[in-house]
Amino acid sequence: DGGITQSPKYLFRKEGQNVTLSCEQNLNHDAMYWYRQDPGQGLRLIYYSQIVNDFQKGDIAEGYSVSREKKESFPLTVTSAQKNPTAFYLCASSIAEVGTYEQYFGPGTRLTVT
Amino acid sequence: DAKTTQPPSMDCAEGRAANLPCNHSTISGNEYVYWYRQIHSQGPQYIIHGLKNNETNEMASLIITEDRKSSTLILPHATLRDTAVYYCIVSLSGSRLTFGEGTQLTVNP
Repeated sequence: DGGITQSPKYLFRKEGQNVTLSCEQNLNHDAMYWYRQDPGQGLRLIYYSQIVNDFQKGDIAEGYSVSREKKESFPLTVTSAQKNPTAFYLCASSIAEVGTYEQYFGPGTRLTVT
Repeated sequence: DAKTTQPPSMDCAEGRAANLPCNHSTISGNEYVYWYRQIHSQGPQYIIHGLKNNETNEMASLIITEDRKSSTLILPHATLRDTAVYYCIVSLSGSRLTFGEGTQLTVNP
């Protein structure tokens, strides 16, 4: 089945630790995205990538970092600098960053930092 | 991107049409209207998008007013599985999407 995989579904970390969230897609999409969702709110864009080895900050990039070494993979690191890391994190991909292509979303990772 | 306004919640009877409104009075001429939905604790799912003309696909219909200041998403025969948060988004492209709080649609048996 083609789609987006995010693992794990639930992740628990202690405050002060960096944590990396996985996102893999086998849709052969060029563009990939990371969003954050807090309870009762909409999604906010953290980072996006149009192509391998290139990525841009979204609306709330502070405290996060990404890499795009392979077309299929776009991992997100939540660093200790992120003040409120507990949230639902969603990865998405689309055929390209330009144009009107729809985004396909993964199932999400729920991160809890205590 | 233009801001959108949606009612926070709506109810619909199973089997009836669900009509979800969205206001986007500041939309510019080249901005599209997108609709996504999110079933509880899952990733959002694309439904439909349009620029000026009404659009229909296997999931829904999108009706955009002539002045483009508002639109309506129509689910013709709502089922219990259509219970979700529905997001109306206005954007120049499919990439830089701003998700507001959306409309919680509850389909009742």
